[in-house]
Amino acid sequence: GESVGLHLPTLSVQEGDNSIINCAYSNSASDYFIWYKQESGKGPQFIIDIRSNMDKRQGQRVTVLLNKTVKHLSLQIAATQPGDSAVYFCAENLGKLIFGQGTELSVKP
Amino acid sequence: NAGVMQNPRHLVRRRGQEARLRCSPMKGHSHVYWYRQLPEEGLKFMVYLQKENIIDESGMPKERFSAEFPKEGPSILRIQQVVRGDSAAYFCASSPRRGDRETQYFGPGTRLLVL
Repeated sequence: GESVGLHLPTLSVQEGDNSIINCAYSNSASDYFIWYKQESGKGPQFIIDIRSNMDKRQGQRVTVLLNKTVKHLSLQIAATQPGDSAVYFCAENLGKLIFGQGTELSVKP
Repeated sequence: NAGVMQNPRHLVRRRGQEARLRCSPMKGHSHVYWYRQLPEEGLKFMVYLQKENIIDESGMPKERFSAEFPKEGPSILRIQQVVRGDSAAYFCASSPRRGDRETQYFGPGTRLLVL
């Protein structure tokens, strides 16, 4: 079936620490995944994406890892800042996006 | 280059009224998607449209909801005879080509409150 789930609903980290947000998916045929950040009262904002022909992709302070064997992906945020506080969603792109419920990241100063 | 635009940003309706939500995709984007986000939940796909065509409406409720993307003008999500359960944030996203090969970029959403 089509489903994308997140392991933890909330994550609290200290400013400057690294954050890791995890996501599992169930459709082994999926080949394109996107991470979005949603701040309160705003629409989802694209962070980074990855296709199934890659295991890792890096952006500015963010890294996405994809493990196709266990159908798991993660978002790593380096040197987390207060501005990173938001809800993070992984989404499976099947033409329509299948979103998980989200992980709320809280950054403590 | 303006991003995806949605209006109104907030909409209040009484039960039984109609709600019309508008979405203008990013310049050069001809594919539009509508998603609904209930309080404390993730986004759920509703409908995917290209100009003048509905491609996938598998997420649309069978009654009262309709969507269009005319040749000219914004995409419209229409909810007839609204009920309290329709209260949610409705997001529009767009992409330049078919979505499963492209990132979808989201607008700020319309927050619908049904009294």
